[in-house]
Amino acid sequence: QKEVEQNSGPLSVPEGAIASLNCTYSDRGSQSFFWYRQYSGKSPELIMSIYSNGDKEDGRFTAQLNKASQYVSLLIRDSQPSDSATYLCAVGRPGTASKLTFGTGTRLQVTL
Amino acid sequence: DVKVTQSSRYLVKRTGEKVFLECVQDMDHENMFWYRQDPGLGLRLIYFSYDVKMKEKGDIPEGYSVSREKKERFSLILESASTNQTSMYLCASSSAHGNIYNEQFFGPGTRLTVL
Repeated sequence: QKEVEQNSGPLSVPEGAIASLNCTYSDRGSQSFFWYRQYSGKSPELIMSIYSNGDKEDGRFTAQLNKASQYVSLLIRDSQPSDSATYLCAVGRPGTASKLTFGTGTRLQVTL
Repeated sequence: DVKVTQSSRYLVKRTGEKVFLECVQDMDHENMFWYRQDPGLGLRLIYFSYDVKMKEKGDIPEGYSVSREKKERFSLILESASTNQTSMYLCASSSAHGNIYNEQFFGPGTRLTVL
């Protein structure tokens, strides 16, 4: 079992719809959770962080965390073609250098 | 604004060459990381450093070494490049040593091709 699992996609949604991206993790000691967006050929860019159970909203993005179910998700409202990218889920726990464990990413395609 | 820079965006080397990849951050971060990213395999941690002159192996250190002589600079060295080291190399940094608030910020990446 992978430590951080994501569906590789592609996830295809029409413009203006809500995109829902999911991630599960295996380490119950994890305390920090991040979503990165990565355009093709570019480096990952941090878009959301969440540390406690519940929802966290930032503009069109909402991150949701459920530690009991070891599940974190990212909702993108009013999806735009510019949201088409690969979204990486990353999970961290306290420790030396506070390493993160990354999922392999979900490719999102927003269609016109 | 957070800034991580890498010495080259694209690099082409020959098998057996010694390769240096440089990474510099201007955020006074304690932690620095080197990853490689390959299709279908995601981000894999090669080495990381949590302080000057301190380094630890990541998941795939074989064939690589690192150097951190100054806090802002973390170098990745391929002692004798091989074709299976053709990849995208990403440097990242983070602050808050030992803290849970450990978001990492990435440089633009170096796409290395070994012929």
